[in-house]
Amino acid sequence: QKEVEQNSGPLSVPEGAIASLNCTYSDRGSQSFFWYRQYSGKSPELIMSIYSNGDKEDGRFTAQLNKASQYVSLLIRDSQPSDSATYLCAVMWGGYNKLIFGAGTRLAVHP
Amino acid sequence: DAGVIQSPRHEVTEMGQEVTLRCKPISGHNSLFWYRQTMMRGLELLIYFNNNVPIDDSGMPEDRFSAKMPNASFSTLKIQPSEPRDSAVYFCASSPRQGAEGETQYFGPGTRLLVL
Repeated sequence: QKEVEQNSGPLSVPEGAIASLNCTYSDRGSQSFFWYRQYSGKSPELIMSIYSNGDKEDGRFTAQLNKASQYVSLLIRDSQPSDSATYLCAVMWGGYNKLIFGAGTRLAVHP
Repeated sequence: DAGVIQSPRHEVTEMGQEVTLRCKPISGHNSLFWYRQTMMRGLELLIYFNNNVPIDDSGMPEDRFSAKMPNASFSTLKIQPSEPRDSAVYFCASSPRQGAEGETQYFGPGTRLLVL
């Protein structure tokens, strides 16, 4: 059974702080990992993808991957109220771009 | 590009009625996915197609659900007969190509279905 686990939250952080979102996965063979952001009432949109161990930075976002520990995280620096959303971790398996999504972590950034 | 297009955006129907959801993937994408999202179960993959061929329908909840992709630019998800527990947001997503590590799925705006 392919599983992706996330803390449902809510994770509450003050504006300007670092938000840290975590995800674990069960399939050791997974090679591709994604973070999607979903605002209330909207569809998921891709924020970051990561495929290699280590860190990948894009603006205020940093994705971290540790395949040995089967762990992937997303850091949001200088959090803004507009970052308030649900963040979905997704792991790809199989040869046909099949994504398994976690339940999502709700982030609330308060002024 | 207009992105993934779904219709209708909202659907309210009565139990027992047939419901048809429609999706137009991004032009040139050859993988298409149907998802269902509820508060209880999160985002679940129902079925996906590659080059118009259904690859995995193990997520389809029961025989009341069926999906087709008659050509590269159109897919339908049909529920017949519908039940109140089918109420959810149904998303369609498309992806450029198969088998490539890290290909992104682009989601449509979703169809909000309410079965009374």
